[in-house]
Amino acid sequence: ILNVEQSPQSLHVQEGDSTNFTCSFPSSNFYALHWYRWETAKSPEALFVMTLNGDEKKKGRISATLNTKEGYSYLYIKGSQPEDSATYLCAFWNRGFQKLVFGTGTRLLVSP
Amino acid sequence: ETGVTQTPRHLVMGMTNKKSLKCEQHLGHNAMYWYKQSAKKPLELMFVYNFKEQTENNSVPSRFSPECPNSSHLFLHLHTLQPEDSALYLCASSPNLAGISPSSYNEQFFGPGTRLTVL
Repeated sequence: ILNVEQSPQSLHVQEGDSTNFTCSFPSSNFYALHWYRWETAKSPEALFVMTLNGDEKKKGRISATLNTKEGYSYLYIKGSQPEDSATYLCAFWNRGFQKLVFGTGTRLLVSP
Repeated sequence: ETGVTQTPRHLVMGMTNKKSLKCEQHLGHNAMYWYKQSAKKPLELMFVYNFKEQTENNSVPSRFSPECPNSSHLFLHLHTLQPEDSALYLCASSPNLAGISPSSYNEQFFGPGTRLTVL
């Protein structure tokens, strides 16, 4: 059984703070690692699809890194804003299982 | 909007009812998915369709019956559900299944979900 762990489960920061979350996944048969952003009552939205060890991707104030050998990815948000409040999901694609396995997410709340 | 729509957004049904969830995508994608999210659990894959053919049934009980008449539409027919089936049901689509082409890393586009309550 494949397991994807995300930490912390929830996080409450002040506007302007920088923050980061962790996604841990099995390191064998790695194919891809996805990050999604999910605002309440909306659709989950893809942030990044990461495929290579050492990958680093950036979209505005949000960036992510990938270490496939040790099985983790970090998501960073620089200068958090209230509109960043959402649940951030990571999902792991394993060659053997042919499906995305999701973590339970990190719920971020950014207060003004 | 992501281009994936789901109806209804909310559904309350009794255990003896028959209802259907509908998903529609206007992105020209070939693969479509049903996911279930129960409280405090990760998104759980239920079914996968590729070019209208079912390629994955993740040990889902037969009271859930999917239908994919074409690459743009996906249904989930519900019959004789249990209260523990109450959850958020999400539909998603992707250009192809992963591994179909070298650059196919299967980014998924989600609908907003149907919040189902079974009484």
